[in-house]
Amino acid sequence: SAVISQKPSRDICQRGTSLTIQCQVDSQVTMMFWYRQQPGQSLTLIATANQGSEATYESGFVIDKFPISRPNLTFSTLTVSNMSPEDSSIYLCSGRRSQETQYFGPGTRLLVL
Amino acid sequence: EDQVTQSPEALRLQEGESSSLNCSYTVSGLRGLFWYRQDPGKGPEFLFTLYSAGEEKEKERLKATLTKKESFLHITAPKPEDSATYLCAVQAEAAGNKLTFGGGTRVLVKP
Repeated sequence: SAVISQKPSRDICQRGTSLTIQCQVDSQVTMMFWYRQQPGQSLTLIATANQGSEATYESGFVIDKFPISRPNLTFSTLTVSNMSPEDSSIYLCSGRRSQETQYFGPGTRLLVL
Repeated sequence: EDQVTQSPEALRLQEGESSSLNCSYTVSGLRGLFWYRQDPGKGPEFLFTLYSAGEEKEKERLKATLTKKESFLHITAPKPEDSATYLCAVQAEAAGNKLTFGGGTRVLVKP
């Protein structure tokens, strides 16, 4: 299976601040994604992280709120900007090695007060 | 719009009591159906990908099957360590690489 690591694993933040989450994947991953899992809910795709270019965002998610970078094949960051309590969620980095397999990282648990 | 519905929402089993989880989907062309297991406080763990009706895949006590409208995850003689939330997701042909997830089934296996 692909190795995907994220940091921080959890954080508690004040409203109005921003948090950057880092994701590192192994070299066999070709595509990278960011998902959100709100409390008691299932996973929702935020965006596809594109190497060296702007991320592709899903409906309901915008770059100003969730800027994403992917400077190289194996590293990506997601920033949650100007946070509010509604942003309290688990943020998951995901990587695909082929059409057949897609793996998820351990998640970053964010609580906004 | 692609939709995925999982049932039941929760399932309590005695150890050794086999059962099945259902994942019903509506997509405009299925490219793949994914099953994951998620333990509390962890990210989803990949189990299977199915592509066409009639396909089956097995891993230990788990067996996934696929029809044109739904997928089943059969748990045979479960053990307490099979307790987890099982997630189903579909990748539609028109949706690129996006996975659309169902709400999950929480499985508790009691010894």
